[in-house]
Amino acid sequence: SAVISQKPSRDICQRGTSLTIQCQVDSQVTMMFWYRQQPGQSLTLIATANQGSEATYESGFVIDKFPISRPNLTFSTLTVSNMSPEDSSIYLCSVVPVRGGGYTFGSGTRLTVV
Amino acid sequence: DQQVKQNSPSLSVQEGRISILNCDYTNSMFDYFLWYKKYPAEGPTFLISISSIKDKNEDGRFTVFLNKSAKHLSLHIVPSQPGDSAVYFCAASWSLDSNYQLIWGAGTKLIIKP
Repeated sequence: SAVISQKPSRDICQRGTSLTIQCQVDSQVTMMFWYRQQPGQSLTLIATANQGSEATYESGFVIDKFPISRPNLTFSTLTVSNMSPEDSSIYLCSVVPVRGGGYTFGSGTRLTVV
Repeated sequence: DQQVKQNSPSLSVQEGRISILNCDYTNSMFDYFLWYKKYPAEGPTFLISISSIKDKNEDGRFTVFLNKSAKHLSLHIVPSQPGDSAVYFCAASWSLDSNYQLIWGAGTKLIIKP
C-alpha cells in the first residue's frame, strides 16, 4: 500500500492566518481525500482532489475556506484560510483505496487556533 | 442523519479476554465495510474489511462479522492485548460509488486493562 508523508504534524496558529498542509505520496494515485476530525468526533470528508481538475467539496465546506491544490499524482495541499478557533482539529489526507486493502492515511496534522 | 453508528464511545476489557466492538448502519446500499484503528497523534490504519457477500472475515486475532438483515457488524479481538488500546472506527461504502467515499462511524475507544 502507499506511504503518505504529511506535514506539518502539528501547529498552533493565530486566528485570521492561514495554514497549508502538505501530503506527499510515494506512488502515483488518482484520488486523494482530505478529512477533518474534530475533538471527540468521527472523520468528516472535506473534499476529494483529483489531479488536473478542481477539487470536489462536501456539503459545508467551500473552496474559499479550504483551497486545495493537486499539481501531480503524488502531491496535494490543503490550506485552512482565515482561521478561527472552530478550525482547531486534526486534518488528514488519504489516498484512494485498493479494494480489500482499505484507505491509507497520512499521520495527520493537529491544528490549534488561538 | 448518521448512516454509520458506533453507539459505544468507549469499552474497557481485561487483557486476554475478547473485545467486541459494534457498528450499525442504516443504508442498505452499503456493500463493503472496513474497520480502522487509530492511535493518538497518528492517522487511522486499516485493520480488516468485509464484503456484503460474506458474513465473516478473519485475520489473525481479528474477526469481523456482518449481519445484513440486522444491518450490524462487529469486530472481535481475541485475545485482547495492551497494544490494542486505541480508537476503532467502522466505515462503510458502496461499490457503485466511483468516488470510493467512506462513511464513518464516530469511533469506540478501546481500553485494554492489564
